[in-house]
Amino acid sequence: GAVVSQHPSWVICKSGTSVKIECRSLDFQATTMFWYRQFPKQSLMLMATSNEGSKATYEQGVEKDKFLINHASLTLSTLTVTSAHPEDSSFYICSARDRVDGPQHFGDGTRLSIL
Amino acid sequence: QKEVEQNSGPLSVPEGAIASLNCTYSDRGSQSFFWYRQYSGKSPELIMFIYSNGDKEDGRFTAQLNKASQYVSLLIRDSQPSDSATYLCAVNSDTGGFKTIFGAGTRLFVKA
Repeated sequence: GAVVSQHPSWVICKSGTSVKIECRSLDFQATTMFWYRQFPKQSLMLMATSNEGSKATYEQGVEKDKFLINHASLTLSTLTVTSAHPEDSSFYICSARDRVDGPQHFGDGTRLSIL
Repeated sequence: QKEVEQNSGPLSVPEGAIASLNCTYSDRGSQSFFWYRQYSGKSPELIMFIYSNGDKEDGRFTAQLNKASQYVSLLIRDSQPSDSATYLCAVNSDTGGFKTIFGAGTRLFVKA
């Protein structure tokens, strides 16, 4: 149980392109979904927290106009990286939890490379 | 500032030994505690969770929690080379909307 599906796994695209990443909880309803970014050999960095039907809460230093998050249902959240540039290249990981005191279940991540 | 501290390692143990991973946290309001394993280039995977003081065993893994000392640990018995990974400690606090704070992780290397 507690499977989180994240697509796509890999994206390679040109600078200036917008990229959408999907995160779905397959067998549970997620009260909250989270988006992280991780650079090589560095720690997870929380970008934003989203609850179904409400605006995402972004961490300090994360540009909300650049990283658009939509949490349309209890099982789906999307992250759109708008006008991506090479410095946005990273490993993006989503997670979801079904109870406030429960664990986060992670998707497999999306490796984004901007040329 | 709520913090979760882990020794970054690497912690190196021989195959078959017990690996002991430790974590301390600063927020006394913390209620739930998790251990994740992250292989290089992969996303974290939940391996244990614990809510009450004491020990919780699952196969070769034992999580230990001491809320008075604000300390949580993970023991891995009969360590295998496939256990080589980074282990992340994570703590939920009931303040601030049950935000999860992750430690930076301990790298474990099990030598064959």
